Amino acid sequence: EPEVTQTPSHQVTQMGQEVILRCVPISNHLYFYWYRQILGQKVEFLVSFYNNEISEKSEIFDDQFSVERPDGSNFTLKIRSTKLEDSAMYFCASSVRQWGGYTFGSGTRLTVV
Amino acid sequence: AQRVTQPEKLLSVFKGAPVELKCNYSYSGSPELFWYVQYSRQRLQLLLRHISRESIKGFTADLNKGETSFHLKKPFAQEEDSAMYYCALSAEGGETSGSRLTFGEGTQLTVNP
Repeated sequence: EPEVTQTPSHQVTQMGQEVILRCVPISNHLYFYWYRQILGQKVEFLVSFYNNEISEKSEIFDDQFSVERPDGSNFTLKIRSTKLEDSAMYFCASSVRQWGGYTFGSGTRLTVV
Repeated sequence: AQRVTQPEKLLSVFKGAPVELKCNYSYSGSPELFWYVQYSRQRLQLLLRHISRESIKGFTADLNKGETSFHLKKPFAQEEDSAMYYCALSAEGGETSGSRLTFGEGTQLTVNP
């Protein structure tokens, strides 16, 4: 069964550093997403991406965040200057159709120290 | 704005007992509801979507628009059902936007032998 692949599985970074989280969505999927889950809290939507542009973003997704699909296969989330409160599990997801029924990646645990 | 509530953070049952994980939602439009499951240290997996009205691993869920609920049920719980269960809602999206999921806080189900 096709999978969404995320790398790295765990990243530790110093506050103020830039991080790039990488995702390889399922090849025939058209819609791409990032979610995050702070420890002990619910899974929260960050951003959706379709046709090489952001289609929707949440209040969390401020100027520190950006997404890219640089080469038609990878889908990246960049955090420019990490803060302690960015520590969370970040999930990438993709879907072939517009609504729901996503396939999630296994997540990247980001720890900002 | 949409909201999903899972009133029980923890639910513990014995093997063979019926189980019901509660989910209530609020949304003014016509939502699509999902249940996702996360086994220990694994990725979020789609378990059920209301629109397909299927039964997966013995679980069923019926959308009750009058009560704005989408409770997940299984008549005879198994030990391998122990996991975190998330109810999620997808609002109607535009033609070119993927539709964000709003998650509940999750219910940790433990099935004891």
